[in-house]
Amino acid sequence: KAGVTQTPRYLIKTRGQQVTLSCSPISGHRSVSWYQQTPGQGLQFLFEYFSETQRNKGNFPGRFSGRQFSNSRSEMNVSTLELGDSALYLCASSPGQPNEKLFFGSGTQLSVL
Amino acid sequence: GQQLNQSPQSMFIQEGEDVSMNCTSSSIFNTWLWYKQDPGEGPVLLIALYKAGELTSNGRLTAQFGITRKDSFLNISASIPSDVGIYFCAGHSPNAGNNRKLIWGLGTSLAVNP
Repeated sequence: KAGVTQTPRYLIKTRGQQVTLSCSPISGHRSVSWYQQTPGQGLQFLFEYFSETQRNKGNFPGRFSGRQFSNSRSEMNVSTLELGDSALYLCASSPGQPNEKLFFGSGTQLSVL
Repeated sequence: GQQLNQSPQSMFIQEGEDVSMNCTSSSIFNTWLWYKQDPGEGPVLLIALYKAGELTSNGRLTAQFGITRKDSFLNISASIPSDVGIYFCAGHSPNAGNNRKLIWGLGTSLAVNP
């Protein structure tokens, strides 16, 4: 089975721009979670989508949004980029049941200049 | 949000030494997961634990689900240079609502001197 695929791998944007990141989950997985990771801050949960619906949400501002398509692929969007948005954005998939392990992609490294 | 207490924060050891790290919480957990992350990559699952007292091995790695359900440890025996990375613990807590949101530690950074 192919793993979780995230595109693009690297992105450079400037303040005020917006960005869209893409995630293709493992085949058969219906849950996709997004995390932001900055050095020393661990993994900060953004949101989780299951069957095209947002099921869980972290404590990020409304500039961060996401969606999931009928094939379980997911996108996240960040509008009006700020310097502090520079981070590794990780996507993880799972079948979508309680107490499951997550499988991560390699991430998208976003740099905001 | 809720976070696990993971220690030590960092370790610098000699190749061949054994390593031990742990994770604690003030509330009970239903699962404990241990991940390893290499620089610029996503975390990779090492060991998953589902039952209090459970002891599970994966090669040179051994992890245990604490009897109180509030802690877990990960041991690495005979460390090698490729063990370098950040090790994260994570788990599902029934107090987090629907048992679908993972709670994370801040990681233990491991450096191995060849």
